[in-house]
Amino acid sequence: EAGVAQSPRYKIIEKRQSVAFWCNPISGHATLYWYQQILGQGPKLLIQFQNNGVVDDSQLPKDRFSAERLKGVDSTLKIQPAKLEDSAVYLCASSSHLSGLSKNIQYFGAGTRLSVL
Amino acid sequence: KQEVTQIPAALSVPEGENLVLNCSFTDSAIYNLQWFRQDPGKGLTSLLLIQSSQREQTSGRLNASLDKSSGRSTLYIAASQPGDSATYLCAVMRRMNTGFQKLVFGTGTRLLVSP
Repeated sequence: EAGVAQSPRYKIIEKRQSVAFWCNPISGHATLYWYQQILGQGPKLLIQFQNNGVVDDSQLPKDRFSAERLKGVDSTLKIQPAKLEDSAVYLCASSSHLSGLSKNIQYFGAGTRLSVL
Repeated sequence: KQEVTQIPAALSVPEGENLVLNCSFTDSAIYNLQWFRQDPGKGLTSLLLIQSSQREQTSGRLNASLDKSSGRSTLYIAASQPGDSATYLCAVMRRMNTGFQKLVFGTGTRLLVSP
């Protein structure tokens, strides 16, 4: 079974530029998550999709971050314009279990490391 | 608001030692608690998942315990090996107002096992 695929692996941009990350979840997984992991911290959930609908984006800085999951499969996360504090690893995860079940294991991709200069 | 704390932040031990990583959380209303491993430049790998009704889970040399009432979990690693060197993250699954679930992570413990 193929894992969660993310691209690119690394990205370096200057502040005020735009950037986009792509994620392809495990086939058949209905739930997709984007996390931001700043160096030295644990991952923080930015947005959660159930199929192509958003179920939680409470910690997504909506003035600059956007995400979509067209057709309920792969997803893109965009930052426009980027700030220095957006430097982090952006992790995508997916799970097969519907929310509400206690054994809801998330499978993570390798992440995209973003450096904003 | 759920907060998850991990102690110590970093740990260095010689090969063969048994060790304990600690995790504490502020809100006992959780569905489960998970321990993850993160290697540099890689994503997270789930090691153990303890349901809220369980007290512990074991996998090989790993044993995780959960005490919901005190808001604590421990990850015990027996006979540590250099290959165990990684960052270990604790995360609790809590229910959001939407009815969906959310993982809240601790800041992790960086483990170095020297040969």
